[in-house]
Amino acid sequence: GAVVSQHPSRVICKSGTSVKIECRSLDFQATTMFWYRQFPKKSLMLMATSNEGSKATYEQGVEKDKFLINHASLTLSTLTVTSAHPEDSSFYICSASLPDYGYTFGSGTRLTVV
Amino acid sequence: EDQVTQSPEALRLQEGESSSLNCSYTVSGLRGLFWYRQDPGKGPEFLFTLYSAGEEKEKERLKATLTKKESFLHITAPKPEDSATYLCAVQVWNSGGYQKVTFGIGTKLQVIP
Repeated sequence: GAVVSQHPSRVICKSGTSVKIECRSLDFQATTMFWYRQFPKKSLMLMATSNEGSKATYEQGVEKDKFLINHASLTLSTLTVTSAHPEDSSFYICSASLPDYGYTFGSGTRLTVV
Repeated sequence: EDQVTQSPEALRLQEGESSSLNCSYTVSGLRGLFWYRQDPGKGPEFLFTLYSAGEEKEKERLKATLTKKESFLHITAPKPEDSATYLCAVQVWNSGGYQKVTFGIGTKLQVIP
């Protein structure tokens, strides 16, 4: 089946540094990737939609300068959290859409900013 | 505004005790409704897609149904390995012409041996 590989699974970084999260589609081409953030006991919150070769579309309230998304190829999308702060600590998940299959998700990245 | 409400938030069942999870939605222009299973610290795992009222899908002990206002995930004779959070999501076409997915907060299911 379609697999999205997400790395790293866990990362701890210092305040003020940047962190890059990668999502790769392993056996299919992902024209569109979605980036979510998940808080405890809250629903998955869509942050942005990235389309290969074009600028990402950010949801209202999501800072595009803080959460940089790059989708340079059909198999790789990256999310960079710039100048991270403790409030950016969260579980970040990427997903890609497939016809009649809904969305396939990466395994998630637990970011802790100390 | 699109809304997805799942109930109950948490459910504790004895092994073999069948039950149903509910997902009610208020959206305009439903394209599809999805059910996912999520284990702690992992990304959601796809279970079902439903497109139209009256549609049903089954997989092992799970059966998903859809009406115009809600979806049910029926769990028959659950086993401890069915313990997880079950997420419901609806897909719509937004005003910008692209698909948007809204998730519920999930139902955390615990099946006790």
